[in-house]
Amino acid sequence: DAGVIQSPRHEVTEMGQEVTLRCKPISGHNSLFWYRQTMMRGLELLIYFNNNVPIDDSGMPEDRFSAKMPNASFSTLKIQPSEPRDSAVYFCASSLDRREQFFGPGTRLTVL
Amino acid sequence: QQPVQSPQAVILREGEDAVINCSSSKALYSVHWYRQKHGEAPVFLMILLKGGEQKGHEKISASFNEKKQQSSLYLTASQLSYSGTYFCGTDDQGAQKLVFGQGTRLTINP
Repeated sequence: DAGVIQSPRHEVTEMGQEVTLRCKPISGHNSLFWYRQTMMRGLELLIYFNNNVPIDDSGMPEDRFSAKMPNASFSTLKIQPSEPRDSAVYFCASSLDRREQFFGPGTRLTVL
Repeated sequence: QQPVQSPQAVILREGEDAVINCSSSKALYSVHWYRQKHGEAPVFLMILLKGGEQKGHEKISASFNEKKQQSSLYLTASQLSYSGTYFCGTDDQGAQKLVFGQGTRLTINP
């Protein structure tokens, strides 16, 4: 299996621009997680889906962030408008039921 | 509530042992342990479920004390490849939502 796939791997954008991060989970996994990692705040769960349905989005910072999972093999995390404080590494992870989570390589986002 | 890991950092010589602790203020359903190398994604090590089980993975093992709401990760006869940051993730709902500790940076020197 190819593992969790994320794109782009690096994104540099200017403040105010829309950013879309993409994730393809491992085939057969039924849960998908979006995390954000920074030095100051560590690894934070933003939102997770189970069977394509958002279960808990309490970690989403504010209305500028939105996430979708239109089908079992694709999810997006969108930031609109982006701000410099959104700069971080964004990880997508997937799992089967309550088992281990497999992380993608991450997207390093820099907002200037 | 974020679990508290200790120590924050540890430096060892190859072959030495280390213990990393993870404490929660809440009753836990499970504890997950991950290792992250610099510039890479976290990699799963093991899950411990309530019941006080202990699991092992090569020379890395862990315990979960449900009563004390804490877990410990044991690394014996450490190897250079063990270097990285170790995170515990706790689940207090029996769901899949993990809250990760701040991490313990482990450095192994030859």
